[in-house]
Amino acid sequence: QVQLVESGGGVVQSGRSLRLSCAASGFIFSGYGMHWVRQAPGKGLEWVAVIWYDGSNKDYADSVKGRFSISRDNSKNTLYLQMNSLRAEDTAVYYCARGWRIVGASGADAFDIWGQGTMVTVSS
Amino acid sequence: DIQMTQSPPSLSASVGDRVTITCRASQSISSYLNWYQQKPGKAPELLIYVASSLQSGVPSRFSGSGSGTDFTLTISSLQPEDFATYYCQQSSSTPRTFGQGTKVEIK
Repeated sequence: QVQLVESGGGVVQSGRSLRLSCAASGFIFSGYGMHWVRQAPGKGLEWVAVIWYDGSNKDYADSVKGRFSISRDNSKNTLYLQMNSLRAEDTAVYYCARGWRIVGASGADAFDIWGQGTMVTVSS
Repeated sequence: DIQMTQSPPSLSASVGDRVTITCRASQSISSYLNWYQQKPGKAPELLIYVASSLQSGVPSRFSGSGSGTDFTLTISSLQPEDFATYYCQQSSSTPRTFGQGTKVEIK
């Protein structure tokens, strides 16, 4: 079935790095843009980053720009988030989500498939 | 960046009630507005896309409307499984932004 499975979360000290992975299955991974979305404990959803289906374009939230890097390996059906210079405010559950391009709605997408999330805790 | 403002932040309602949640964008986003439902400890799920289209498998008691800057999510008859937090999200531009959420609780 269509599925996204995140891994790589854990407890890390402030200033260190961590790489998250998101393994996709059940659909043609190379046909979709992919996003990372995070949720701090008890808080709402915050969009983090997007990568186009072929990796040619990427964009980031201002809060992570210059510290986080999104990438993908379409041969392995896997999405990545490299997180450097981590801060306490990066503590959150990180979700990967499929960007489903809506036919007839130029450029618009919706996050139709989500992973279960992986927890990242940054300790000071 | 486009700011999304939801109201109310929370509401209490009974099974069978009609519930309405509003979402306002800081600038026009045409119909590029999606709604998600999130239950505690779970990932969000897509309910409505491009303001009024019902995602496959979502019950017809959910509906969405609006365009430009003002949008509404309506649950026509609240069911026990609908108690959750609801988020709007714009897909008009990057960064994609979410509303702060509306928690629907049991009265």
